[in-house]
Amino acid sequence: EDQVTQSPEALRLQEGESSSLNCSYTVSGLRGLFWYRQDPGKGPEFLFTLYSAGEEKEKERLKATLTKKESFLHITAPKPEDSATYLCAVRERGSSNTGKLIFGQGTTLQVKP
Amino acid sequence: KAGVTQTPRYLIKTRGQQVTLSCSPISGHRSVSWYQQTPGQGLQFLFEYFSETQRNKGNFPGRFSGRQFSNSRSEMNVSTLELGDSALYLCASSDGRTFYEQYFGPGTRLTVT
Repeated sequence: EDQVTQSPEALRLQEGESSSLNCSYTVSGLRGLFWYRQDPGKGPEFLFTLYSAGEEKEKERLKATLTKKESFLHITAPKPEDSATYLCAVRERGSSNTGKLIFGQGTTLQVKP
Repeated sequence: KAGVTQTPRYLIKTRGQQVTLSCSPISGHRSVSWYQQTPGQGLQFLFEYFSETQRNKGNFPGRFSGRQFSNSRSEMNVSTLELGDSALYLCASSDGRTFYEQYFGPGTRLTVT
């Protein structure tokens, strides 16, 4: 069964304290791994798409990396405004699954000033 | 470009009633996917529409249905509401072809009493 597991469930950091969030997946042929940020009461905000092992993408203090079995979201010198739930999702290979994303349960990040 | 819009934003219904939610995708996007988000199950895929055709469907009962119009706007309907249908319903739009990033709307918060 296709699965996406995120760890840790919750993470508390001091402002400036760098860390990483993990997303491990088991799918029958990856066709894209997606990272989203979700603030309370809002819809997920698209951050990155990764398609192949070794790929990396950066945006401000965030950097996403991908291996054959997992992805990491590295947060460098976080600020309180980075506090949110970070969601990982995968799309699997196969034309019958083009629109279906399988989401992990998310990591809730709190950054204290 | 304007983002994904969903109406209404909040809804309170009684068990046994039915409800219709609306989603307008980003201009030019032809794919609309619907997700249900609850604290216990996270984000779960309901269905996807592309060019007025349902292209994919998740594991939800037949009480959940949807449609897409020629202007790509989509509606989802839930009949015979149950307490467990209380959730945030999210719609996401995509060009549905190449890169497949999905952009989410703010969601409709449905409460069933």
